[in-house]
Amino acid sequence: GAGVSQSPSNKVTEKGKDVELRCDPISGHTALYWYRQSLGQGLEFLIYFQGNSAPDKSGLPSDRFSAERTGGSVSTLTIQRTQQEDSAVYLCASIQLGWEDPRTGANVLTFGAGSRLTVL
Amino acid sequence: DAKTTQPPSMDCAEGRAANLPCNHSTISGNEYVYWYRQIHSQGPQYIIHGLKNNETNEMASLIITEDRKSSTLILPHATLRDTAVYYCIVMYSGGGADGLTFGKGTHLIIQP
Repeated sequence: GAGVSQSPSNKVTEKGKDVELRCDPISGHTALYWYRQSLGQGLEFLIYFQGNSAPDKSGLPSDRFSAERTGGSVSTLTIQRTQQEDSAVYLCASIQLGWEDPRTGANVLTFGAGSRLTVL
Repeated sequence: DAKTTQPPSMDCAEGRAANLPCNHSTISGNEYVYWYRQIHSQGPQYIIHGLKNNETNEMASLIITEDRKSSTLILPHATLRDTAVYYCIVMYSGGGADGLTFGKGTHLIIQP
């Protein structure tokens, strides 16, 4: 696609429920990142997928959080037994590793619009 | 932990130049400095990047010190729409090899 697509854009759930957040990266981008941003805070790295390599899960805050990337494209972030402190905007980003824009030399991390999760 | 440090907030008068500093004292020789900005809770968007030379594009200028341990993003004529959080990150050529770590950035507030 033309950009990184995330769904749902907004999700309100009750404490203890499971939620799934979806990210559809730019076609051909080999790397995909998930970040979490709580109100007024910076971007907190959660997990990183690169090609067929094992994902870097070092940023996941607890074992209630998991993510997968099927077929090297779409990724799903799952939060089990949600807690109120999980309320945040979850951002997905993708990048084509090893590539640079021929005009600018940049390799830009492209973000989606985010999924806003509210746990009541 | 983020490889960069930035002041948490700055004010600038509309029409003046906004100068946003960033320290990246542990940057390695083949890491680029990238700047992004985030308006409200939208995803951050790319502004500019550089390796060691000063760079300019239609949005901003980037000044990198000779030792590459710090840089300054310059918005030459700030407008109210430039109010945003600005992030400075370092990244290897061709993309990050691991989790790209963003700090808390600088919240730039443009005053009318």
